[in-house]
Amino acid sequence: NAGVTQTPKFQVLKTGQSMTLQCAQDMNHNSMYWYRQDPGMGLRLIYYSASEGTTDKGEVPNGYNVSRLNKREFSLRLESAAPSQTSVYFCASGSLAGYAGELFFGEGSRLTVL
Amino acid sequence: AQSVTQLDSHVSVSEGTPVLLRCNYSSSYSPSLFWYVQHPNKGLQLLLKYTSAATLVKGINGFEAEFKKSETSFHLTKPSAHMSDAAEYFCVVRTGGGADGLTFGKGTHLIIQP
Repeated sequence: NAGVTQTPKFQVLKTGQSMTLQCAQDMNHNSMYWYRQDPGMGLRLIYYSASEGTTDKGEVPNGYNVSRLNKREFSLRLESAAPSQTSVYFCASGSLAGYAGELFFGEGSRLTVL
Repeated sequence: AQSVTQLDSHVSVSEGTPVLLRCNYSSSYSPSLFWYVQHPNKGLQLLLKYTSAATLVKGINGFEAEFKKSETSFHLTKPSAHMSDAAEYFCVVRTGGGADGLTFGKGTHLIIQP
């Protein structure tokens, strides 16, 4: 009963390094999302994928890239990390037919950029 | 356009007393509304949702919320707080079926005093 699984849970990077956050869901959802959470800011959408093969920018996409590898997996890449990208990152998935669908979240990936 | 405002960034109550977390929204269309809870170092979990059926919605762990269209509010309540309710709570509004149609409030941190 895994739901949404994110790896790694913790990561420390130096400025300029790159890394990829992995996300996988086992609920057969079409839509997947990447959010970042910062104190006092709530959750802000970075990128989303409405279905396999499509990706779109959210509110704060600069400095990030994504890949929807297949229906289950949606990865987030930081090509050249900056201290402003220190945050907690959440992956979510959902079946958003109509507008009543809820999202299911992973437990988060805590990233520190020095 | 849509927006959601959580009127209190922090709420502190004593164990056994009622909880009220306030949420106001604005939306050009009939919205779906959600409350999520986030316990420390965890992902977000759905508490309850309103999707144009009954205006009083019951959720998990004894929480409920009432949709009031005239006041554009969706306040979350619980008759008696428990220590395990200490967490961050997010009000979320959604209009339309688009994958980017979700807007998160900035969160309310609920503190339970023994």
